Amino acid sequence: AQKITQTQPGMFVQEKEAVTLDCTYDTSDPSYGLFWYKQPSSGEMIFLIYQGSYDQQNATEGRYSLNFQKARKSANLVISASQLGDSAMYFCAMRERGNTDKLIFGTGTRLQVFP
Amino acid sequence: SQTIHQWPATLVQPVGSPLSLECTVEGTSNPNLYWYRQAAGRGLQLLFYSVGIGQISSEVPQNLSASRPQDRQFILSSKKLLLSDSGFYLCAWSVSGRASAGELFFGEGSRLTVL
Repeated sequence: AQKITQTQPGMFVQEKEAVTLDCTYDTSDPSYGLFWYKQPSSGEMIFLIYQGSYDQQNATEGRYSLNFQKARKSANLVISASQLGDSAMYFCAMRERGNTDKLIFGTGTRLQVFP
Repeated sequence: SQTIHQWPATLVQPVGSPLSLECTVEGTSNPNLYWYRQAAGRGLQLLFYSVGIGQISSEVPQNLSASRPQDRQFILSSKKLLLSDSGFYLCAWSVSGRASAGELFFGEGSRLTVL
């Protein structure tokens, strides 16, 4: 069965510094997708970045990059130059194969950025 | 552009009362639709998904049901709420087929408190 693990319940980072949020996954499917979402205190889930299992390069979106290590089954999110507005819950997710694109989510990491 | 809206945003209901949460998507056709629940301080659990009108798949046995009476409308219901139904409910949609990475786009969420 597919599984997503986020072992860091909380992380602190100083403004303007970089931070890495860990995510490991388990799947026997050779084709899968990995996602990161941000959930601010308002509750809405905001899509940040996507990595396909066959993508040769690590995904990047602005200050977000995904450190994809396929052999280790890890897909860590790197946020560069942290901002106070980055304080939120961050969820890693994986897409199951099939027509429905169901995502399974990790338990999340709460990031707090301090001045 | 596509938008997703769900309501009500906040709901306080007594045990044993009925529930209806509604979600609509605009700007796209034949989306895949999803209901997720997030318990306090935890990750997202998929409750239902739908690939078309009248087609509902349940992921976990529970006190809730879902319906899709129209292409872009998804409703979460219960005849008699339990205390354990309390949580944050998120509706989401994705592009059907393999035309996209399969990312989910979420609504604003509905916070349900059962007393």
